[in-house]
Amino acid sequence: EAQVTQNPRYLITVTGKKLTVTCSQNMNHEYMSWYRQDPGLGLRQIYYSMNVEVTDKGDVPEGYKVSRKEKRNFPLILESPSPNQTSLYFCASSPGSGEQPQHFGDGTRLSIL
Amino acid sequence: GNSVTQMEGPVTLSEEAFLTINCTYTATGYPSLFWYVQYPGEGLQLLLKATKADDKGSNKGFEATYRKETTSFHLEKGSVQVSDSAVYFCALRRANRDDKIIFGKGTRLHILP
Repeated sequence: EAQVTQNPRYLITVTGKKLTVTCSQNMNHEYMSWYRQDPGLGLRQIYYSMNVEVTDKGDVPEGYKVSRKEKRNFPLILESPSPNQTSLYFCASSPGSGEQPQHFGDGTRLSIL
Repeated sequence: GNSVTQMEGPVTLSEEAFLTINCTYTATGYPSLFWYVQYPGEGLQLLLKATKADDKGSNKGFEATYRKETTSFHLEKGSVQVSDSAVYFCALRRANRDDKIIFGKGTRLHILP
């Protein structure tokens, strides 16, 4: 089954404790992206990757890091999480063509205390 | 710059009512346009898409027509059901170097039985 898998689905942690949210897709997609969803603000793009070893900042990259060492994986790293990073996070992937829609994971709800 | 503007919600309708959710965009070139739906507790799913002017996307009774002259992609359904209650996102994707996807802020739809 074609899917985008995020882990964990839920996490409560404390300020400053490094965490990684994993994202994996099994569709051989070139393009992968991370978003955060906050009430009243919709979806905002954090980082995206056009292909292996190619990453770029989205609209709200501060406080986040990503890597794309393999085509299927695109982890999101919070080196020193802060409460303003409490949010619902989505990973998405798609083929490289502009006509193709994105496939989304089920989301990760992070709470930073 | 490129942007997507959707009508603000929540939108509350009775079952079997006619639905319109407005979406307008600004973009250079000829983007592809999408509607995504997010059911409670889930990630976004593609509802329909259109890739060029005058194309009509349709799925599950929903329709939207790519109107270049009015830069609009309004979502319509003739008779809504309680199960259509969700958040709807309009989005565009630029078919150029970075394939950036831009989302509207989302419109929450409540359907009353």
